[in-house]
Amino acid sequence: EIVLTQSPGTLSLSPGERATLSCRASQSVSNRYLAWYQQKPGQAPRLLIYGASRGATGIPDRFSGSGSGTDFTLTINRLEPEDFAVYYCQQYGDSPYTFGQGTKLEIK
Amino acid sequence: QPQLQESGPGLVKPSETLYLACTVAGGSVSSSTYYWGWIRQPPGKGLEWIGSIYYDGSTYYNPSLKSRVTVSEDTSQNQFSLYLDSVTAADTAVYYCVRQAGEVLGGHWFDPWGRGTLVIVSS
Repeated sequence: EIVLTQSPGTLSLSPGERATLSCRASQSVSNRYLAWYQQKPGQAPRLLIYGASRGATGIPDRFSGSGSGTDFTLTINRLEPEDFAVYYCQQYGDSPYTFGQGTKLEIK
Repeated sequence: QPQLQESGPGLVKPSETLYLACTVAGGSVSSSTYYWGWIRQPPGKGLEWIGSIYYDGSTYYNPSLKSRVTVSEDTSQNQFSLYLDSVTAADTAVYYCVRQAGEVLGGHWFDPWGRGTLVIVSS
């Protein structure tokens, strides 16, 4: 199975700054089949990005994804207070579908 | 976007079978565009895909759970269900039902998610 490793584990930033989250796969993710989710405490995850760079419906354009092969990035420009949460990457290029362990984005 | 709602016991005894149902509103489990699946999250931990079902009844499971898992659907009720046999404390988690995109959409991401239901395995 494909193992996804996210870094950093915790990212401390201030509102207005840019966040860069990394997701590295143990083997190449076919067709850029990678998604990103946001999870706030007590809530279900919410889809942000699919196909590595395609924004889900209703997601602000300050969220963007990039990458291919084994290295993927989620960038959040101009952080808003509501963006502080845990972020997960997920690959769906190969079954079983797997998730990274998460990056916690916290207010500095 | 459809709305998904999990239901079922919040407490299950060790060695028994965990059963959850997911009711879909505003969408159809008979759609050939989507799969319908289950994901779990132990308290304070990450996410694990359990398994999914397609409209034709074909099922796909995580090999780590395959020997204990069954996902089924009831098109008359517009529901799908999860059965997990021989549970232990390690199966304590929040269980989410999800809609999974199909091949016609270009992949298998999960959207939307139900609110989740906590299942505790304890005697």
